[in-house]
Amino acid sequence: GESVGLHLPTLSVQEGDNSIINCAYSNSASDYFIWYKQESGKGPQFIIDIRSNMDKRQGQRVTVLLNKTVKHLSLQIAATQPGDSAVYFCAETIRLILTGGGNKLTFGTGTQLKVEL
Amino acid sequence: KAGVTQTPRYLIKTRGQQVTLSCSPISGHRSVSWYQQTPGQGLQFLFEYFSETQRNKGNFPGRFSGRQFSNSRSEMNVSTLELGDSALYLCASSHGTGEKGSYEQYFGPGTRLTVT
Repeated sequence: GESVGLHLPTLSVQEGDNSIINCAYSNSASDYFIWYKQESGKGPQFIIDIRSNMDKRQGQRVTVLLNKTVKHLSLQIAATQPGDSAVYFCAETIRLILTGGGNKLTFGTGTQLKVEL
Repeated sequence: KAGVTQTPRYLIKTRGQQVTLSCSPISGHRSVSWYQQTPGQGLQFLFEYFSETQRNKGNFPGRFSGRQFSNSRSEMNVSTLELGDSALYLCASSHGTGEKGSYEQYFGPGTRLTVT
């Protein structure tokens, strides 16, 4: 499942620094958002999610911020490590689809994160 | 437990041919979704199957079809292949019932399809 996004925006950070990856979503009706990480040769891996009734959610070394006013998501990675190098995607959906039965995610274009030693 | 498996991992086909890709979900998962990943269009939703029925569909032509078996394994088929169908095809499985924690989709490694 390697990502071959030749035109992906790239974020380069030094090991140990914090990373911030941004995403603009398109559907104002979306109320559930997910960040995925895709490493070379693998499929996307779930990192963290957030519902629209929240502004912030924290996980292990990761924080997701949601600004519904401007339809913007960000993923913050603390103390970035070489193993964090990957492509990061945000995805949006409407929970009614999920709870009523259904999985239909709309993905952003992705950001390539490169961690420099 | 075993993750999502997809076969084959790599495939080369000629324009005009048809292809079938297979996906085995995580044990206990009843929902299988298919996505196409290309450099130009990114990750796009194809369709989702739940309990052998197509439950959601993306905006792809009718050449793209799928099915799900009683054991939740799923196949997708692309007929009359075009050069633009070259992509990584990913499948994702989940519980699909809306229960707590069942929103999370687990992706397989994908099948890399090249159409020449």
